[in-house]
Amino acid sequence: GAVVSQHPSWVICKSGTSVKIECRSLDFQATTMFWYRQFPKQSLMLMATSNEGSKATYEQGVEKDKFLINHASLTLSTLTVTSAHPEDSSFYICSARGLWTARLPPQETQYFGPGTRLLVL
Amino acid sequence: GQNIDQPTEMTATEGAIVQINCTYQTSGFNGLFWYQQHAGEAPTFLSYNVLDGLEEKGRFSSFLSRSKGYSYLLLKELQMKDSASYLCAINDYKLSFGAGTTVTVRA
Repeated sequence: GAVVSQHPSWVICKSGTSVKIECRSLDFQATTMFWYRQFPKQSLMLMATSNEGSKATYEQGVEKDKFLINHASLTLSTLTVTSAHPEDSSFYICSARGLWTARLPPQETQYFGPGTRLLVL
Repeated sequence: GQNIDQPTEMTATEGAIVQINCTYQTSGFNGLFWYQQHAGEAPTFLSYNVLDGLEEKGRFSSFLSRSKGYSYLLLKELQMKDSASYLCAINDYKLSFGAGTTVTVRA
């Protein structure tokens, strides 16, 4: 259980275009989804927290008009990078946290998708 | 906010034991996670501590002391596949990650 998928796994686009990344929880309902960005040899940096049916909460320094997040259902969240530029090239990872009926795994656990590599030319 | 410190790199021999320390300062605390991340892949869940003490799960154990702001991840009987980055993360309803410790296992 606790499988999270991301699509696409790789995307190359031209500067100025928009890119949409999907994050799906496959076998559980994700009450909260998180979007992270990771640059080479650096740790994960949280971009935003998304609760189903409500607006995302963005971390300081993350432009909400550039990184559009939609969490329309308990199994799907999307991140759209609008007007992408080369400096947006990074590894984007989503995670999902859900409700568990069993004690294990702990309810606080976030499960990560496989990530999406974005290269903006 | 959070301040999380981990060693940058550690090297050990196959079959040995390695202990990765994590110290933290945080305004809010709802548990500490350890994740493993292989190069180019997303993190995978290893352990979760919310109370003081040792949690053992196979070859991996994790310890927490909330009063000292300290945790460690213990990897026993190291295997080559354990070569990865190990991330300490503080949970305050969202995760804040340390920079990660790259463990290299040598034959």
